[in-house]
Amino acid sequence: AQSVTQPDIHITVSEGASLELRCNYSYGATPYLFWYVQSPGQGLQLLLKYFSGDTLVQGIKGFEAEFKRSQSSFNLRKPSVHWSDAAEYFCAVGAESGGGADGLTFGKGTHLIIQP
Amino acid sequence: SQTIHQWPATLVQPVGSPLSLECTVEGTSNPNLYWYRQAAGRGLQLLFYSVGIGQISSEVPQNLSASRPQDRQFILSSKKLLLSDSGFYLCAWSTRGSYIQYFGAGTRLSVL
Repeated sequence: AQSVTQPDIHITVSEGASLELRCNYSYGATPYLFWYVQSPGQGLQLLLKYFSGDTLVQGIKGFEAEFKRSQSSFNLRKPSVHWSDAAEYFCAVGAESGGGADGLTFGKGTHLIIQP
Repeated sequence: SQTIHQWPATLVQPVGSPLSLECTVEGTSNPNLYWYRQAAGRGLQLLFYSVGIGQISSEVPQNLSASRPQDRQFILSSKKLLLSDSGFYLCAWSTRGSYIQYFGAGTRLSVL
């Protein structure tokens, strides 16, 4: 079974500084990888996804992520954070065998705090 | 465009009472539907998923059940709530064959 690890529960970054959120996955075949963002009390919004091809993927709100198969990682980055980026970030993996039907496996999330 | 609705947004229920949370999707047909629970510090746990009317798969045995009476309607139920059922419940949908899931705004359930 697949699993996702987000090693950082909380991260504090100054506004305008760069950001990297870590995500490691465990899955035997080609993973389908996602980053979602959740504002307090809200649902999840898809930031970006990786299915195949270029290992550097661009998403919404200026985010990007890089798939590194050798490290089983899919880290999320942003060159300059804004106060509005404060939220919970979730990395997720989909099982190829499920064809998308049987849901995603999520990490436990990273809470991003932005300092003024 | 497609939209997903969940209600209620907030619910406070006593232990032992029944539960019914509803989720509907508009603007698409034959979606895959999902119920997740989010407990503090524990990420999202997939509870149920459905690929069609009356077809429910359970990921975690528990005090909850799910039903899909119509193509775009997904209901989460319990006959008797436990304290441990408290949490944030999220409904999601995807198109057939797609891994991309779209989430509703969630229901905050507090069992007291």
